[in-house]
Amino acid sequence: DVKVTQSSRYLVKRTGEKVFLECVQDMDHENMFWYRQDPGLGLRLIYFSYDVKMKEKGDIPEGYSVSREKKERFSLILESASTNQTSMYLCASSLSPTEQYFGPGTRLTVT
Amino acid sequence: RKEVEQDPGPFNVPEGATVAFNCTYSNSASQSFFWYRQDCRKEPKLLMSVYSSGNEDGRFTAQLNRASQYISLLIRDSKLSDSATYLCVVNHQAGTALIFGKGTTLSVSS
Repeated sequence: DVKVTQSSRYLVKRTGEKVFLECVQDMDHENMFWYRQDPGLGLRLIYFSYDVKMKEKGDIPEGYSVSREKKERFSLILESASTNQTSMYLCASSLSPTEQYFGPGTRLTVT
Repeated sequence: RKEVEQDPGPFNVPEGATVAFNCTYSNSASQSFFWYRQDCRKEPKLLMSVYSSGNEDGRFTAQLNRASQYISLLIRDSKLSDSATYLCVVNHQAGTALIFGKGTTLSVSS
């Protein structure tokens, strides 16, 4: 079974803090994705990566950056957290751009 | 126009009912189509791919109409465990990310 893990299920941070969300997959997938999910807005793609050290902006990259130094790990970074970044963050991986396997999500609250 | 549109529902049906969800997509170049299921407070998981000829998996039937840019999901003999949000998903071309609809919520009651 594919396993995608995320570093925290729940996280509370203060405005202005730098936040790191980590995602690790164990199936040697090339593709990894970061989404946020908000009520009424659905899943929105923040960044994705097709290879180590490679990244592509998704639909809402502003305020975020990513890092992929190893194939199995894809990190999402909030340089200076703001309250409008309070959300559920979901990481996913895939072997091809078809079936994506999601992690359990991190519910981030910025106060 | 949004890329993938779904009726958000909720659809409230009794056990045993047949329920159908519809989805439209805006990009005629879309190549791959899927239905994902997301349980409350859980991550989305692939339910089934959708093929041009239509396909069935047990009580679930998916249909694709490329001319109308329309995808459907039919659930027969609904179970309580079918209660979830169903996400319509398209992929424009190989090498691009998936595009998710906002989801349709189904609640099956006894």
